[in-house]
Amino acid sequence: DTGVSQNPRHKITKRGQNVTFRCDPISEHNRLYWYRQTLGQGPEFLTYFQNEAQLEKSRLLSDRFSAERPKGSFSTLEIQRTEQGDSAMYLCASSFVTGQGNPTNEKLFFGSGTQLSVL
Amino acid sequence: DQQVKQNSPSLSVQEGRISILNCDYTNSMFDYFLWYKKYPAEGPTFLISISSIKDKNEDGRFTVFLNKSAKHLSLHIVPSQPGDSAVYFCAASGGFGNEKLTFGTGTRLTIIP
Repeated sequence: DTGVSQNPRHKITKRGQNVTFRCDPISEHNRLYWYRQTLGQGPEFLTYFQNEAQLEKSRLLSDRFSAERPKGSFSTLEIQRTEQGDSAMYLCASSFVTGQGNPTNEKLFFGSGTQLSVL
Repeated sequence: DQQVKQNSPSLSVQEGRISILNCDYTNSMFDYFLWYKKYPAEGPTFLISISSIKDKNEDGRFTVFLNKSAKHLSLHIVPSQPGDSAVYFCAASGGFGNEKLTFGTGTRLTIIP
């Protein structure tokens, strides 16, 4: 068990550029989450997948943001036309749940995050 | 709207004493609560959790108390150790449409040797 892996750890980009982050969850986990954290705040939910299906997107997620999990394993988060307000730590987390309904006792395992700085 | 609130941004405690971190929530549908610990440049790490059917859960030096009527939970660390210095986040989930965790803003705990 290597834990949740995120790449890159740091990304510096210029405003208007596109960026893509990758997340490799714990291998047997079927749920994958993306969160964003800014300074002085807790992690804020962006979106999550169960296997390859994207089940929910936060209203925080503008149409410049897109996430995929094509084979139900790794996931990518792309931000198009980056803005300075996108600067944040982007966290990926995974978990294992049974069934489709609202699970109880779901515990998320987080990666170390990708720190994005938009200049 | 901040559904999970941690009103103390920071807390300093002498090594060996008890650390008490507090968390309040507003959504009565929440039925599962967790505490995460975060070191700089790392992702949050799960610490301890409690279901709403309980009012206390203990794991070694860490105990979480839940007061449903007050919509309040607290994390007790005793005895506090220097390695406990970190940011602690309270999180909650539960109810239809609330499967994902909602986090508080965190409390930075500093243990003074």
